[in-house]
Amino acid sequence: DTAVSQTPKYLVTQMGNDKSIKCEQNLGHDTMYWYKQDSKKFLKIMFSYNNKELIINETVPNRFSPKSPDKAHLNLHINSLELGDSAVYFCASSQGASGAYNEQFFGPGTRLTVL
Amino acid sequence: AQSVTQLGSHVSVSEGALVLLRCNYSSSVPPYLFWYVQYPNQGLQLLLKYTSAATLVKGINGFEAEFKKSETSFHLTKPSAHMSDAAEYFCAVSEPGRRALTFGSGTRLQVQP
Repeated sequence: DTAVSQTPKYLVTQMGNDKSIKCEQNLGHDTMYWYKQDSKKFLKIMFSYNNKELIINETVPNRFSPKSPDKAHLNLHINSLELGDSAVYFCASSQGASGAYNEQFFGPGTRLTVL
Repeated sequence: AQSVTQLGSHVSVSEGALVLLRCNYSSSVPPYLFWYVQYPNQGLQLLLKYTSAATLVKGINGFEAEFKKSETSFHLTKPSAHMSDAAEYFCAVSEPGRRALTFGSGTRLQVQP
């Protein structure tokens, strides 16, 4: 039973294309996240949703649009892909009213390569 | 604003030797601190967390970390390294009211036979 799953695991595409990454969690958590890990392994928060409501939106280009159809799903759509978007994107989830001290469970990541 | 500094992007130890991975944090309020491990081509897995209870925290796989407020540190240790410990280790901080984690730049641990 995979707790946090992402599809696809690998995504290779051309510059200018539009692509989506899907994330699902079966842990019953109320908060989900998208993180970006660059080529130097640096991890940075992009977005966070709590009960389908956007609560964190870091300085991310508006070509990136998250969407949470329900508490168990958080998708990431990227328009007009650029070379610099190449990275590993991790989805995560956690539970709790404050959330700050609760463990975040991470998905296996989606490696996006833009050519 | 919170931040995390991990000293040493690469650490190499011999099998059976002590593992010490350093983490210093900056936070305007008492933080919550985490260590995560990332094995090649995998997601992150929680090793341990500090949430203002005991200052010495024990985690999985024999790892532990000690919160030292005076030094703003949360170093990760393991008495005896095993080959299977080779991975990337991330220290992270979270502040009350902010759900997202702020990660350090990571430390790659190599274990030599």
